[in-house]
Amino acid sequence: KAGVTQTPRYLIKTRGQQVTLSCSPISGHRSVSWYQQTPGQGLQFLFEYFSETQRNKGNFPGRFSGRQFSNSRSEMNVSTLELGDSALYLCASSLVGQGNTIYFGEGSWLTVV
Amino acid sequence: AQSVTQPDIHITVSEGASLESRCNYSYGATPYLFWYVQSPGQGLQLLLKYFSGDTLVQGIKGFEAEFKRSQSSFNLRKPSVHWSDAAEYFCAVGGAAGNKLTFGGGTRVLVKP
Repeated sequence: KAGVTQTPRYLIKTRGQQVTLSCSPISGHRSVSWYQQTPGQGLQFLFEYFSETQRNKGNFPGRFSGRQFSNSRSEMNVSTLELGDSALYLCASSLVGQGNTIYFGEGSWLTVV
Repeated sequence: AQSVTQPDIHITVSEGASLESRCNYSYGATPYLFWYVQSPGQGLQLLLKYFSGDTLVQGIKGFEAEFKRSQSSFNLRKPSVHWSDAAEYFCAVGGAAGNKLTFGGGTRVLVKP
């Protein structure tokens, strides 16, 4: 069974640009969540989607957005990139229900220059 | 608000010696607790999880953790570490509603030959 797949794995963007990251969850998983990992702030929750609806949201500015498609695949978008957005962005998926394990992908490394 | 504290930023242990990594959490309801491991440049791999039942949880790679409600702790242990256990370890807490995890700051484990 394939794991959580994230693309692209590495990318470099310029300040002011926007970026879209993609995540394909494990087959059958309908919940997808996104996390940002930086050396200074650690791992922080961005948002979670279930059935194409945002179910939870972390404390990030509106420049960070996401969506989920009917096949459970998800994208996140960051507009007007800032240097501080350089981070590892991790996607996670799980089945829905109490006590379900959350599985993470390898992440997308974003560098903003 | 939920929070996780990992008091030890770094732990150095000799190969073959035992390892304990501490985790304290704050959560208003029944917590779902996780330990993940991250090797350099990689995503997060689940070591073990606690949802309910037996408070001593066995995980992969010979790791175990004990849930102590009275101390709000979920410490990770391994009786005999291998050089391949050198990595960063993250404790996380979540709830039944959704997949929003709150992570601790991580503990970096170094293994001496």
